[in-house]
Amino acid sequence: EADIYQTPRYLVIGTGKKITLECSQTMGHDKMYWYQQDPGMELHLIHYSYGVNSTEKGDLSSESTVSRIRTEHFPLTLESARPSHTSQYLCASSDIRSPLHFGNGTRLTVT
Amino acid sequence: RKEVEQDPGPFNVPEGATVAFNCTYSNSASQSFFWYRQDCRKEPKLLMSVYSSGNEDGRFTAQLNRASQYISLLIRDSKLSDSATYLCVVTSGNTPLVFGKGTRLSVIA
Repeated sequence: EADIYQTPRYLVIGTGKKITLECSQTMGHDKMYWYQQDPGMELHLIHYSYGVNSTEKGDLSSESTVSRIRTEHFPLTLESARPSHTSQYLCASSDIRSPLHFGNGTRLTVT
Repeated sequence: RKEVEQDPGPFNVPEGATVAFNCTYSNSASQSFFWYRQDCRKEPKLLMSVYSSGNEDGRFTAQLNRASQYISLLIRDSKLSDSATYLCVVTSGNTPLVFGKGTRLSVIA
């Protein structure tokens, strides 16, 4: 079983607040990803990283930012949350030997 | 044309039925193929990798057709617990994995 953790599991927050969604993995995977998924809809890649100090934007335009200062940690930050950011955010990691493993997600609601 | 296309379903089948899903991909350089399963309000989980020669895991069989650029998943003797969304995933080496929109399966008693 993959060891990838996301916190918080649920977050309800007011408009305009700065939030950081945490993601950590203990497998030493080089590659990490953030996906956004609305209920019943497809996954959209918003950010990915292939190693420390390497980050790229994904297919879906996002107002969030990410950082990769340590291999195991890939936090996602929203400087000013808006109701349109309400969604589920899924973090995942992989490496050459291991296909993608997901964390259990953060369900964000911006009021 | 989207990189990965799946029939969204839903497929409503009785218990014990055999059901097959197909997934087509557009990038002929694609190298790795997977099927993931996603339960309602949960994260996707790896169901099985898809190998060139085809592979089987219990009631599940995955096949790859490179010439026609599609992969398939066959589920035999469907169980109620097989109800989920099945996601086709394709990657071309060092590019991010591309997910299909998923096919919903409902197995009915």
